[in-house]
Amino acid sequence: SQKIEQNSEALNIQEGKTATLTCNYTNYSPAYLQWYRQDPGRGPVFLLLIRENEKEKRKERLKVTFDTTLKQSLFHITASQPADSATYLCALDLRQAGTALIFGKGTTLSVSS
Amino acid sequence: DVKVTQSSRYLVKRTGEKVFLECVQDMDHENMFWYRQDPGLGLRLIYFSYDVKMKEKGDIPEGYSVSREKKERFSLILESASTNQTSMYLCASSTPLRETQYFGPGTRLLVL
Repeated sequence: SQKIEQNSEALNIQEGKTATLTCNYTNYSPAYLQWYRQDPGRGPVFLLLIRENEKEKRKERLKVTFDTTLKQSLFHITASQPADSATYLCALDLRQAGTALIFGKGTTLSVSS
Repeated sequence: DVKVTQSSRYLVKRTGEKVFLECVQDMDHENMFWYRQDPGLGLRLIYFSYDVKMKEKGDIPEGYSVSREKKERFSLILESASTNQTSMYLCASSTPLRETQYFGPGTRLLVL
């Protein structure tokens, strides 16, 4: 069956450390993979997109990798801050007509000072 | 600044009522989406639309319908609200390339 999984529901780390979130999928062949941030009671906000022919993408303290062989994406936040505390969602884009993004359930990151 | 707005942030309705949730985007996007989000279940797609007057069923369309008469507006209709439709409803829009989805702030619906 087709599945998209984010490795843990919750992740707690100390300020200054690197947070690493995982997104695994099975029986999909996404052309793109996107990451979103969601704060409590708000809608998700787009962070980064990575294409299947890209290994890595960076934006400020954020880094995303995409391994189509392992069927996995890693999302890193370096030098994490309490303000990074939020839920992070990964989403697959199959790039097929008639399909929409497929979202994971999210990982809630808590950064303590 | 791109914007997706939803008609209400909080809504309380009675079982059996007809409920309209409105979503408006000002980015001239072709694609619009309705999701519901529940704890432990994540975002689930209800309906989406790639153009005016077009609609596609998502993963959980039962008990819902949609209307897209104008490009900027996508309405979600609960024909007869039930308690299991209590949820957070999120609208989103994107360009045909779909490289970014822009979400509204959400409507928290409580059905009593």
